[in-house]
Amino acid sequence: DAGITQSPRHKVTETGTPVTLRCHQTENHRYMYWYRQDPGHGLRLIHYSYGVKDTDKGEVSDGYSVSRSKTEDFLLTLESATSSQTSVYFCAISWPGQAYGYTFGSGTRLTVV
Amino acid sequence: ELKVEQNPLFLSMQEGKNYTIYCNYSTTSDRLYWYRQDPGKSLESLFVLLSNGAVKQEGRLMASLDTKARLSTLHITAAVHDLSATYFCAPNPMYSGGGADGLTFGKGTHLIIQP
Repeated sequence: DAGITQSPRHKVTETGTPVTLRCHQTENHRYMYWYRQDPGHGLRLIHYSYGVKDTDKGEVSDGYSVSRSKTEDFLLTLESATSSQTSVYFCAISWPGQAYGYTFGSGTRLTVV
Repeated sequence: ELKVEQNPLFLSMQEGKNYTIYCNYSTTSDRLYWYRQDPGKSLESLFVLLSNGAVKQEGRLMASLDTKARLSTLHITAAVHDLSATYFCAPNPMYSGGGADGLTFGKGTHLIIQP
């Protein structure tokens, strides 16, 4: 779907374990984002990236870290997973210019038990 | 900080009826997006509204933007069951300087259209 792939699609993990979610794009777009979606909250921005090794925090960044060592990959790490991080995680890409838009990946459903 | 409020959050309507979803936001925005999401799926882009007074239509859906009132509407005409989904609005903050800072989403409007 528009050259953006998230992996894994589903994951169950135990409280206290580290978890890494991957977002891979083939569009060579500069901007990438991680959102989480929870019932009653819509989508909330966790972290975003302007380019390789250039990232910033979003609205709900506590407990999460990100890395971007290559243009095509944006990794989201839950350093020590908690039950409150059970959610659906979406990656998005964006491109600059007047007609810029945002395209979303298929999502990763993460359950922390 | 940009706040986005959608109304209503839940809407059940009959086929053939018209209805409007409202999206109010708190700070200046240079553009606004509408997305559709089906259960268990990703977000599908519906409209991008780029300027004050912008109106876009696609089939039975029409979106408009009033930047002075900080209001966007999504109007549904003669609803059909296939339009059942959750609809999100997302203004882009004016300070973002080209889209890099990400969108702020409303909580979504869960729309059910019954035969």
